[in-house]
Amino acid sequence: DMVMTQFPLSLPVTPGEPASISCRSSQSLLHTNGDNYLDWYLHKPGQSPQLLVYMGSNRASGVPDRFSGSGSGTDFTLKISRVEAEDVGVYYCMQTLEPPYTFGQGTKLEIK
Amino acid sequence: QVYLVESGGGVVQPGKSLRLSCAASGFSFSSYAVHWVRQAPGKGLEWVAGISFDGLHKFYADSVRGRFTISRDNAKSTLYLQMNSLSVEETAVYYCAREIARYTSGRGLDYWGQGALVTVSS
Repeated sequence: DMVMTQFPLSLPVTPGEPASISCRSSQSLLHTNGDNYLDWYLHKPGQSPQLLVYMGSNRASGVPDRFSGSGSGTDFTLKISRVEAEDVGVYYCMQTLEPPYTFGQGTKLEIK
Repeated sequence: QVYLVESGGGVVQPGKSLRLSCAASGFSFSSYAVHWVRQAPGKGLEWVAGISFDGLHKFYADSVRGRFTISRDNAKSTLYLQMNSLSVEETAVYYCAREIARYTSGRGLDYWGQGALVTVSS
């Protein structure tokens, strides 16, 4: 099974400052069709997880443009250009190239 | 508006069985793959199982293969998860979630239910 490794696991950020989360997969997530099968989710306290970015770099509907995803192959990054208070929660990457799909351990973003 | 509503959660003894349901509305259920994802207390998200739009392809996490069965009834717009031989470690909130794109899999889960709590305890 593919192993997804996220870092950092804890991310304290001052509002208005940028933030970055890395995700590394044990195998390449680049499909022969040219797409990377890597998604980013945010799980806020008391809510269901929400999709932020799919296929490595496509922002999901309704997601603010301060969120962006990049990377290819085995290394991916989620960036928040200016963190807001509402961005607190746990961020997960998940590979969907091949079953069983696997999540990273999660990165807890908190406001300083 | 897309809705996914889980039901069937509750308290069950170790070794026993439970079936979860996920009622879908607001979209063409038969056109989308759907999945189950769980979160144990204090733990991260864990993908459990997925099923293709037509029900022909089913996938499972190693931890549940052989004990859990995912199925769907497209006529009733409902997803199921039959869970057998449950263990205490499988106490979790179980979410159903829909794929973002029709007739395919692996492209992101854009709608999630509110979750159903399953407690495995003697």
